[in-house]
Amino acid sequence: KAGVTQTPRYLIKTRGQQVTLSCSPISGHRSVSWYQQTPGQGLQFLFEYFSETQRNKGNFPGRFSGRQFSNSRSEMNVSTLELGDSALYLCASIRGTGRTEAFFGQGTRLTVV
Amino acid sequence: QKEVEQDPGPLSVPEGAIVSLNCTYSNSAFQYFMWYRQYSRKGPELLMYTYSSGNKEDGRFTAQVDKSSKYISLFIRDSQPSDSATYLCAMRDSGGSNYKLTFGKGTLLTVNP
Repeated sequence: KAGVTQTPRYLIKTRGQQVTLSCSPISGHRSVSWYQQTPGQGLQFLFEYFSETQRNKGNFPGRFSGRQFSNSRSEMNVSTLELGDSALYLCASIRGTGRTEAFFGQGTRLTVV
Repeated sequence: QKEVEQDPGPLSVPEGAIVSLNCTYSNSAFQYFMWYRQYSRKGPELLMYTYSSGNKEDGRFTAQVDKSSKYISLFIRDSQPSDSATYLCAMRDSGGSNYKLTFGKGTLLTVNP
């Protein structure tokens, strides 16, 4: 059974650019959540999608956005990148019907220079 | 006060020791409690998932939840060098459409051969 797939694994971007990260959840899972992990703040919740609808949003600026497609794959976008956006971005997959354990992908490491 | 507090360590133990990892929390609405293990440059791996108070055992791992004290623990018996990783506690409330996880900052564990 395939796990959660995040692409790309590594990214280097320049300040002011934008970036799109992708997450393919476990087959049959309908919920995808995104988290930002930094050494100083740990894992912080960005947003959660369920059946293409954003249900929850964390305390991040509007530069951070996301969406979910009908096949449950999700993308998150960060516009006007800042140095402080350098982090490991993690995607979590949850089946959402009966079982609510969250399974994480390997993450995308974003470096903003 | 942060919602979830976790001692960052680092914690260093000899192989075969019993390891105790702990988190405290302030939000009484939390009902689901998880422990994740994260190796360097990898995504978090779900170890234990419990609901409400009580104990749960899985092999060498035991999770305990004391909701009256707002305190959760993870015990690792017969620790192995392969257990060396960062351990993250996570929790969420029981809201039907809320899969947002709140994490501790993690405890770095090293098991020495």
